[in-house]
Amino acid sequence: DADVTQTPRNRITKTGKRIMLECSQTKGHDRMYWYRQDPGLGLRLIYYSFDVKDINKGEISDGYSVSRQAQAKFSLSLESAIPNQTALYFCATSGLGGPHEQFFGPGTRLTVL
Amino acid sequence: AQSVAQPEDQVNVAEGNPLTVKCTYSVSGNPYLFWYVQYPNRGLQFLLKYITGDNLVKGSYGFEAEFNKSQTSFHLKKPSALVSDSALYFCAVRVLSGGYNKLIFGAGTRLAVHP
Repeated sequence: DADVTQTPRNRITKTGKRIMLECSQTKGHDRMYWYRQDPGLGLRLIYYSFDVKDINKGEISDGYSVSRQAQAKFSLSLESAIPNQTALYFCATSGLGGPHEQFFGPGTRLTVL
Repeated sequence: AQSVAQPEDQVNVAEGNPLTVKCTYSVSGNPYLFWYVQYPNRGLQFLLKYITGDNLVKGSYGFEAEFNKSQTSFHLKKPSALVSDSALYFCAVRVLSGGYNKLIFGAGTRLAVHP
């Protein structure tokens, strides 16, 4: 969905390096999420933010940090990348209230050597 | 624990035949259930959701899903499969955790439709 963009789309890095993945959205949604996808494990929630001042840890937040720079921007950082953080990372957004659909970006494929 | 399960890693079906992708859930309270599809090199796309009302929910691309409360299932169905339906399908359930509503996703089922 072009309304949610992620950069970079692919990244190869080395163990110990700091990496930032960026997400931008034009849907006007307040809620943003970061997931990682691993084969056979589905999507697991890393962090989520319900507005600029509200950031919460998901089920697998260790080794990650986030920054919500604006309503439209939500960045994920790996302070010191390790090989088991090799995965496909997705950003998603949703609107306020009720049972909500989430809209996903195209994903960032990260490889940590 | 609240969870969602997709018991099949892969489903194979011939084009033109009906397809079913299975999903079961475990949540407290009334479930809010979703199906998403992921095509190669793309993010997930919303297909359909069940909130309340009719147990048969219709969604995008001719897909539908049947909510069965007694069996705690929400199976995805399509009467006649297309090769272009081949993709990875995720079932999800909304849960309340830490005062917030979030989605929990199943592990995914790969659907392969053969000509």
